[in-house]
Amino acid sequence: KQEVTQIPAALSVPEGENLVLNCSFTDSAIYNLQWFRQDPGKGLTSLLLIQSSQREQTSGRLNASLDKSSGRSTLYIAASQPGDSATYLCASRGAGNMLTFGGGTRLMVKP
Amino acid sequence: GAVVSQHPSRVICKSGTSVKIECRSLDFQATTMFWYRQFPKQSLMLMATSNEGSKATYEQGVEKDKFLINHASLTLSTLTVTSAHPEDSSFYICSAVDRRNQPQHFGDGTRLSIL
Repeated sequence: KQEVTQIPAALSVPEGENLVLNCSFTDSAIYNLQWFRQDPGKGLTSLLLIQSSQREQTSGRLNASLDKSSGRSTLYIAASQPGDSATYLCASRGAGNMLTFGGGTRLMVKP
Repeated sequence: GAVVSQHPSRVICKSGTSVKIECRSLDFQATTMFWYRQFPKQSLMLMATSNEGSKATYEQGVEKDKFLINHASLTLSTLTVTSAHPEDSSFYICSAVDRRNQPQHFGDGTRLSIL
């Protein structure tokens, strides 16, 4: 059974810092790896999706990488802003379009 | 982009009440819908997968008689929490896909509070 772990569980940084969120998964037989943002009490916003054949995806200040062989993905946020404060979730997609979520990283960017 | 609407966004009710949550795909036909539950400061846990016109598949540990799922049309799935108790209080989120290999589109979630 797939297990997805995110480290750190919480992170507080001053505005402007570059930061890296980590996601690891136990079963490398994934179709894709997806990063989501969740604001308090809200649903999920998809940020980046990396197919199993890809190494990375970029969107604006966000860059996500995928290393299937080592079971790792990272989300890099450049020049962090207070508006980036949220919980970031990674999820691996397996057979049958099943998503397995990590526990999330709660990010606080201080002005 | 694809939109999934979930209603209601928040429910507060007494113990023993049954609560129905709706999940609608607004601009696509959802062949498959997923229901998740999220406890405070925890991640999303899949409860069940429903395909239009067939019975839902429940994850281990999820009581199918407690959480009734109906996916009667290609745009609507409902989750009914029967005889809800305080331990059922949680954040419930649905998602939908139009074709098997496409990314899931998520609703905004329903905060259920049972007094």
